[in-house]
Amino acid sequence: DIQMTQSPSSVSASVGDRVTITCRASQNIAGWLAWYQHKPGKAPKLLIYAASSLQSGVPSRFSGSGSGTDFTLTISSLQPEDFATYYCQQANSFSLTFGGGTKVEIK
Amino acid sequence: EVHLVQSGAEVKKPGATVKISCKVSGYSFTDHHMHWVQQAPGKGLEWMGLVDPQDGETIYAENFQGRVTITADTSINTAYMELSSLSSEDTAVYYCARSNCSGGECYDWFDPWGQGTLVTVSS
Repeated sequence: DIQMTQSPSSVSASVGDRVTITCRASQNIAGWLAWYQHKPGKAPKLLIYAASSLQSGVPSRFSGSGSGTDFTLTISSLQPEDFATYYCQQANSFSLTFGGGTKVEIK
Repeated sequence: EVHLVQSGAEVKKPGATVKISCKVSGYSFTDHHMHWVQQAPGKGLEWMGLVDPQDGETIYAENFQGRVTITADTSINTAYMELSSLSSEDTAVYYCARSNCSGGECYDWFDPWGQGTLVTVSS
C-alpha cells in the first residue's frame, strides 16, 4: 500500500494567517491526490482533487499544489470556519489511503 | 441535490455482525462507485472498500478482507456495508462516500459523504 505522511500533525494559527500543510506519498502518485476538511460530528468535505483542482463551492483561499510524491494544501487567510482537521488521500491505486491528518487549532 | 443518508447508530456484542445502509438520491445510483470509510475514536480515516453498483463488483482493503462485504441494491438505490466478527477495535464511525465517475472513468476521491454511522462494540 502507498503510505501517506502528513505534516505537521497539528498547527496553531490565528485568523488571517497563511497555513500550509504538506503530504508526502511513499511512491509516485502523479497528481492523484485529494484534500478533505473534517469537522467533529460532520461528514468530511472534499476541498481539492487532482492535486490542484478546487472543488465547486470551496472558497478560493484554499489551494493545492504538487505532483509525484510531494503535495501541499495552503489556506491563504485562515477564517474562523476553517478550524478543523485536514486529510490528504491518494487515489492512484488500491488500497486507497489517507494521511494521518493535520488539526488546525486556534492560537 | 445529491444526498447520501445512512442508517442509525448500532450497538453490537463482540463476535457479532453489523450491516449499515446508505440510501442515495439526486443522481443515478449506477453511475458512480460507492466507498466505505472507517474512523475509529481519535484516529484518522481508513478506506474499507468499494462497490460498483452497475455490476456489483467490489474491491476491499487488505485490512478488512474476509470480514467486510459491500453490496448495492439498485432497486432501492441503497448501498450496504456488512462487517463481521466484530471486536472492540471496530468501534468507529463508518461513512459511505461516492466517487466521481464520468464517461466510464472513475476518479476515486469522495464527494459527497454520508452523515456517518456510529457502531459501538461492547459486551
